[in-house]
Amino acid sequence: NAGVTQTPKFRVLKTGQSMTLLCAQDMNHEYMYWYRQDPGMGLRLIHYSVGEGTTAKGEVPDGYNVSRLKKQNFLLGLESAAPSQTSVYFCASSLGLAGNNEQFFGPGTRLTVL
Amino acid sequence: GENVEQHPSTLSVQEGDSAVIKCTYSDSASNYFPWYKQELGKGPQLIIDIRSNVGEKKDQRIAVTLNKTAKHFSLHITETQPEDSAVYFCAAPQAGYSTLTFGKGTMLLVSP
Repeated sequence: NAGVTQTPKFRVLKTGQSMTLLCAQDMNHEYMYWYRQDPGMGLRLIHYSVGEGTTAKGEVPDGYNVSRLKKQNFLLGLESAAPSQTSVYFCASSLGLAGNNEQFFGPGTRLTVL
Repeated sequence: GENVEQHPSTLSVQEGDSAVIKCTYSDSASNYFPWYKQELGKGPQLIIDIRSNVGEKKDQRIAVTLNKTAKHFSLHITETQPEDSAVYFCAAPQAGYSTLTFGKGTMLLVSP
């Protein structure tokens, strides 16, 4: 089992460009999450999904969109990248609710917006 | 929503010493408190968790204690080793338990 994988590992964008980050899990987990990690800020939740076809906003959703068309995939989109979106992005999945179950994290995507 | 405070932000110890990281939470209804370890260049990984029906849980050199009255929980690492060097995050559930709120993290450095 690969667990949680993220594509790409690194990306540099110019302000205003768009991109999609892909998260895939092979554990048949219902719940998937996107976090961003910034120095001194910990992990902040962007969006999450409680099942195929569902999405919900987290703590810092502005400037991002998500889709969960297939159970195993969770996509994070930036329509018009801004320097404030420079961060490390982590995807996670869990079998049950995150507030009660272990979350499995991917290796992260380091995004720089110039 | 749930608010989680974590201290200290950095902690340096000598190999063999003990390390303690403390977190406080705001929602008295919370009953699940995980700790995650993040090694350099990797995603966080669960190392131990505790539920509110117990006050302490141990797993080899790591332990977590919970004080529900005071709304704080702590991670204890004994006989620290260089491989314990990492960033540690505590977390507590938001109302409804769909999501977690993480503390800002503690960077632990264990010197040989």
